[in-house]
Amino acid sequence: EIVLTQSPGTLSLSPGERATLSCRASQSVSSGYLAWYQQKPGQAPRLLIYGASSRATGIPDRFSGSGSGTDFTLTISRLEPEDFAVYYCQHFGSSIFTFGPGTIVDI
Amino acid sequence: EVQLVESGGGLIQPGGSLRLSCAASGFTVSSTYMSWIRQAPGKGLEWVSIIFSDGRTFYADSVKGRFTISRDNSNNALYLQMNSLRAEDTAIYYCARALPYDTSWYYLDYWGQGTVVTVSS
Repeated sequence: EIVLTQSPGTLSLSPGERATLSCRASQSVSSGYLAWYQQKPGQAPRLLIYGASSRATGIPDRFSGSGSGTDFTLTISRLEPEDFAVYYCQHFGSSIFTFGPGTIVDI
Repeated sequence: EVQLVESGGGLIQPGGSLRLSCAASGFTVSSTYMSWIRQAPGKGLEWVSIIFSDGRTFYADSVKGRFTISRDNSNNALYLQMNSLRAEDTAIYYCARALPYDTSWYYLDYWGQGTVVTVSS
């Protein structure tokens, strides 16, 4: 079973800055097999990125995903006030979903 | 428009049972994969269970033998029967639709708003 780790645990930034979030898998995953979700307080998670780099419907282009093998990155090019949230990465394999522990992006 | 609405949560004593429901609209539950994910207070996301379109089911080790996922095609709904509940099952329970990226990898594109389960005496 693949284990996902995310870093940093907390990212303290200001609006307008660039955010770079990391997700590392315990073993190499097939190309594109990673998704990213955003969760705001009191809300359900929302899909941002699937297939490592494809933006979900309605997601602004300031969000981008990249990576392969064991190292994946979610980049928010210029933080908007509504982007301060928790971000989770996700893999699916052997018929189970696996989530990373999350990265908090706060002001 | 795709919508998922969970219900059935509440306060239950340890050892008790609860059945969660997830009413789906905008798509057909039986034609896709559906999953339950939970989130304990102040914690991250934990996958619970999945049901494939062919009816196969899979569970996290933490709930295997106690929880049962099922669906009702006529009502277009997903269910989670939870037995022998423990304090550590306390969480928000979300249902979500799983879409295929290819034939072997899935992601969760729509989530419900969640239903709260509290296991306490």
